[in-house]
Amino acid sequence: DGGITQSPKYLFRKEGQNVTLSCEQNLNHDAMYWYRQDPGQGLRLIYYSQIVNDFQKGDIAEGYSVSREKKESFPLTVTSAQKNPTAFYLCASSLSSGSSYEQYFGPGTRLTVT
Amino acid sequence: AQKITQTQPGMFVQEKEAVTLDCTYDTSDPSYGLFWYKQPSSGEMIFLIYQGSYDQQNATEGRYSLNFQKARKSANLVISASQLGDSAMYFCAMRESLGQKLVFGTGTRLLVSP
Repeated sequence: DGGITQSPKYLFRKEGQNVTLSCEQNLNHDAMYWYRQDPGQGLRLIYYSQIVNDFQKGDIAEGYSVSREKKESFPLTVTSAQKNPTAFYLCASSLSSGSSYEQYFGPGTRLTVT
Repeated sequence: AQKITQTQPGMFVQEKEAVTLDCTYDTSDPSYGLFWYKQPSSGEMIFLIYQGSYDQQNATEGRYSLNFQKARKSANLVISASQLGDSAMYFCAMRESLGQKLVFGTGTRLLVSP
């Protein structure tokens, strides 16, 4: 079964700790994305990557970091510099960049920082 | 800058009836793609339907159709014969030809009653 996996589904951390969210896809997609969703809002782009070893900042990249060492994997680190890290994080991938390619989403990770 | 507006925070419909979810957009790019996603309570974003800006005909996918009115910059989703399982959040999104990100609206919560 092809798809995107994100782990864990729920994550709890203390303030001041870095935390890494996992995202793996076996769809052979070139492009991968990280979005953040807050209650009552749409998704906002954090980072995206079009090819291995390359990534770009999205609209709200401050306090986050990513890596793309393998085509299948695009982990997101939420650093202690992120002021409001509690949110729902969604990873997505698409065959390529381009306006006609839909993005496929993983099940998401709900991060709570106290 | 690209923008998506969904003016209906919530919609109610009875089972087996049709419902229209509104979406207007703003872009200066002549080439763009419009997407609708469904987000059930589990959180995963499910791709429903796509409309390209140069497509001559309105997109249809099973019970979903997209009422695309380019001059009015609207891309409303029509769900025919609503089912209880259609209860979810629905997001309209747009991607420009040279853009790497999907821009999302704030969503519409649809409740289908028996």
